[in-house]
Amino acid sequence: KNEVEQSPQNLTAQEGEFITINCSYSVGISALHWLQQHPGGGIVSLFMLSSGKKKHGRLIATINIQEKHSSLHITASHPRDSAVYICAVRSNTGNQFYFGTGTSLTVIP
Amino acid sequence: EPEVTQTPSHQVTQMGQEVILRCVPISNHLYFYWYRQILGQKVEFLVSFYNNEISEKSEIFDDQFSVERPDGSNFTLKIRSTKLEDSAMYFCASSRGVNWGNEKLFFGSGTQLSVL
Repeated sequence: KNEVEQSPQNLTAQEGEFITINCSYSVGISALHWLQQHPGGGIVSLFMLSSGKKKHGRLIATINIQEKHSSLHITASHPRDSAVYICAVRSNTGNQFYFGTGTSLTVIP
Repeated sequence: EPEVTQTPSHQVTQMGQEVILRCVPISNHLYFYWYRQILGQKVEFLVSFYNNEISEKSEIFDDQFSVERPDGSNFTLKIRSTKLEDSAMYFCASSRGVNWGNEKLFFGSGTQLSVL
């Protein structure tokens, strides 16, 4: 049973393209996190959302609590955006986290 | 920017041996976490820790695992008797809080554990 589903699993884009990664979840949550995992394995937190929309540079994250869905958008994609993007949710019934399997993004120059 | 540090970066051990993975969370953070990622698989939650006790643990976190904050700065994960399937990258993370605005997670760079 996957509490968090991401799509697509793999994504290849040309530099400059607009990218969307989707995340759906089935549990009640208190927050949703978008994480970036670099090829070396390190993980960086991009966004933490409990409602609405957040923007940081070329990255935009949205969440629809009613539909249990979140999207991560990258505008004007660049090869340095190539990484695995992971959606994770914190359960609202305790301090437990559930992770998606990640979306592997490759941006080609 | 302050960071979470983990040591060692790589740990090789024999099956059945005990290992301790160490983490130094960011100093004003109150919530601490261990996650693991088996090669090629998704990140999995192991345990969360607050106020010197476990606040939540997953099914993976059985009696072979324990966590401790022995001295107010270090946060350790102990595996008592390692199994081959414990081989994974183990990530420590911390956050200032769990309320909106304080919940951003800061991850360490991980400890790659190899059980032979």
